[in-house]
Formats: sequence, C-alpha cells, structure tokens
Amino acid sequence: AQKITQTQPGMFVQEKEAVTLDCTYDTSDPSYGLFWYKQPSSGEMIFLIYQGSYDQQNATEGRYSLNFQKARKSANLVISASQLGDSAMYFCAMREGRPGGTSYGKLTFGQGTILTVHP
Amino acid sequence: NAGVTQTPKFQVLKTGQSMTLQCAQDMNHEYMSWYRQDPGMGLRLIHYSVGAGITDQGEVPNGYNVSRSTTEDFPLRLLSAAPSQTSVYFCASSRARESPLHFGNGTRLTVT
Repeated sequence: AQKITQTQPGMFVQEKEAVTLDCTYDTSDPSYGLFWYKQPSSGEMIFLIYQGSYDQQNATEGRYSLNFQKARKSANLVISASQLGDSAMYFCAMREGRPGGTSYGKLTFGQGTILTVHP
Repeated sequence: NAGVTQTPKFQVLKTGQSMTLQCAQDMNHEYMSWYRQDPGMGLRLIHYSVGAGITDQGEVPNGYNVSRSTTEDFPLRLLSAAPSQTSVYFCASSRARESPLHFGNGTRLTVT
C-alpha cells in the first residue's frame, strides 16, 4: 500500500490566489513527521515545512501552511498569495519511527504534484 | 558552508560498467541517504545510514552498494550498470527526525 499519496498530478492557480496541494499518508506508528519539499525546474530539492505527529498546532512558514488532520491522515500544503516563482513540483514525505531505531533514517515520498501559477 | 556535495553532476555509462557516485556533507549529520527520482515515481529510497558503520536497505536497493566509513561520506556504488538504473540520483542528510533533509544537487545518470 502507498504510504504517501498525492492524488493531484497537476494543479493550476492564478497569481495571488491561494492553492491547496493534497497529501494523505498511511502509518500505524504513533510517532512520525511530515515534510513538504519544492522542486523547481532547475532540479534542486527545497525544504518548505515540517509537521510532527504530536504537534498541537498546524505548522506555518511564511506563505506556506500545513493543514494537518490527524484523524483523516492528511497533511495538505496551503500556499497563500501564489507567485510565479511557486511554479514547481511539490513533494509530500513522511518519516516514521522513534530516534535510535534503524528505520528512523527513512523518508518516504509521494509522487508529487506539479503546480503551475498563471499570471 | 558547502552542505551536501554530490559528484559527478552528469554521467553516461555503458551496460555492465561499474561506478561510484560520491556524496559528502560537512554538517556533521548522522543520517544520510540515497534516493533515485524517476518520472511519475517520486523519490525512492535506495540505501540509508543512521551513522558511521551502519547502513540499511531502502525500497529499491538491488544493484547498488553503500558504505559509511566516516560521518561525512556516503558513496553509492553501481556494481554492473543496467539501463533500468538511468535516473537522477540524490544524496541527502539530516541531523534528526524533525530536521529536514538537506539534498545535494543530484547526479543525472544515463546507462546505454
């Protein structure tokens, strides 16, 4: 079974509008972390935001926020006030396990969503 | 501060050849990992390490070897290259679970 599912292969948004990129995950581990990364056309991977499974509040980083719904196992990325430079591939990823465990170093990625921002 | 350095950036191999992709980080991170990125597949974990001397297999380890003799270096060896190994390879490191992965700039490998 897929551990991380991004159901939107592509999304379009008008500049200055908000957009939500979906991510659902599957784990039985009570301790996990969720990450979002951006990959522009130049190819590098850029970390955007992190949410821990025990965090009480949704994570925010500037224009990025994470809509974390633990019961639904979803961790959607919200980008407010989209900019042309936001056009990129976006990946959701999950790290499971507790510190010290051998699985702790593993990060599982979704297939990604290509976001296109129109002027 | 160099971060995570991968070499080479591009490589073309013939089927059956072997080579080593180099990865070094200067942030004293314990966790290092190798991923491959293929169209429509996202990033898939090849091998990872939680510290010097400790490595483990990820999702797609076949055809690849790793070793971690120092904290800084985590080379990926292709034993006998196959066209199915044509991909973009990323090395990454992180300090702890809640810390993000720091990625290298990737190596684009083509096997003919």
